[in-house]
Amino acid sequence: DAGVTQSPTHLIKTRGQQVTLRCSPKSGHDTVSWYQQALGQGPQFIFQYYEEEERQRGNFPDRFSGHQFPNYSSELNVNALLLGDSALYLCASRHIAGTSEETQYFGPGTRLLVL
Amino acid sequence: GQSLEQPSEVTAVEGAIVQINCTYQTSGFYGLSWYQQHDGGAPTFLSYNGLDGLEETGRFSSFLSRSDSYGYLLLQELQMKDSASYFCAVSDSGGYQKVTFGTGTKLQVIP
Repeated sequence: DAGVTQSPTHLIKTRGQQVTLRCSPKSGHDTVSWYQQALGQGPQFIFQYYEEEERQRGNFPDRFSGHQFPNYSSELNVNALLLGDSALYLCASRHIAGTSEETQYFGPGTRLLVL
Repeated sequence: GQSLEQPSEVTAVEGAIVQINCTYQTSGFYGLSWYQQHDGGAPTFLSYNGLDGLEETGRFSSFLSRSDSYGYLLLQELQMKDSASYFCAVSDSGGYQKVTFGTGTKLQVIP
């Protein structure tokens, strides 16, 4: 049973560019959340997708957008990259009607460096 | 807003017991989770408390007091491989949940 997968693993971009990160959820999961984790910090919630719609959003500007596809996979897009966008981007999946454990499974992340 | 406070670093001896505390101030609360993250790795789920009390999962236990906005993670029989960062996280609902993570506690287990 494949867990959460993300691509690419590493990415280098320059300021002002745009980036797209991809995530495939764990089998049986229908909800995908994206997080940004700066070095030495905890993950910061960006947004959550369910049934191809954004359902919850954290305190991130509109430069951060996403999409969920019918097969539950998801993309995170970041426009007009800033140096401060350099971070590990994590995708996490769960089943919306999951157990009370509310378990999220995280992917390995995409490490983005903006120069 | 949401804020979660944890100690930044803890050092403990192999075989001992360590407790990592978490206090939270949140506008919505549904449950408290704990995650472990090794350097360079992804967070992995350890434990969840939706109700007050103690939850035990092997060597790990987690406690929640909703009235005190407080929880802790207890690690017993520490092993060297337990050296990692530990995060508490609050989910604000059961469905379309927003999860807020603390800044993390770096645990170092020494021989």
